[in-house]
Amino acid sequence: DIQMTQSPSTLSSSVGDRVTITCRASQSIYHWLAWYQQKPGKAPKLLIYKASSLENGVPSRFSGSGSGTEFTLTISSLQPDDFATYYCQQYNSYPRTFGQGTKVEIK
Amino acid sequence: LLQESGPGLVKPSETLSLTCSVSGDSMNNYYWSWIRQPPGKGLEWFGYIFYSGNTNYNPSLKSRITISVDTSKNQFSLKLSSVTAADTAVYYCARGGGYSYAFDSWGQGILVTVSS
Repeated sequence: DIQMTQSPSTLSSSVGDRVTITCRASQSIYHWLAWYQQKPGKAPKLLIYKASSLENGVPSRFSGSGSGTEFTLTISSLQPDDFATYYCQQYNSYPRTFGQGTKVEIK
Repeated sequence: LLQESGPGLVKPSETLSLTCSVSGDSMNNYYWSWIRQPPGKGLEWFGYIFYSGNTNYNPSLKSRITISVDTSKNQFSLKLSSVTAADTAVYYCARGGGYSYAFDSWGQGILVTVSS
């Protein structure tokens, strides 16, 4: 299985901050990476697919980059609605696997 | 719109059965997956079924899983046999998981507790 490792596990930030989350794959997944946002008690929501493509309706302050084994999710200016847990997920190989999550907390 | 349904409590060693109803869209030409999340933990993909009936299961669970589809009812289902307390989780159905497809639509999730 491809292992997905996110860093940091927790991130404390303030409204307006630029936030970057890293996801590393244990082997190359080319650009087959997605990012999800999950709020407590809710299902994950797709933000980014194919490493850098913004899902319809997702604010442009979210962006993704990377290829191969290293990827980043950036929130350019953190908003109150963005405090949540973020997961990366590879869909290059089976089984599909997720990172362990990064919780973005209010500082 | 996806909606999970099924019992919220299952006894150890029994079979967990869930159904996902798909509304507002055809099931044709899409992959449909099951994903679970134990309380306070991360996400685990079970497997997918294509609308045609082709399946792909997570090897770690393959011996216990059956995913089936009924396109006439716009539903797909999950059966997980021989459950233990470790199978207690929120179970999600989602669209995607096949070749070049992320999970772009999710059900709200259903908490299934395994307990006697």
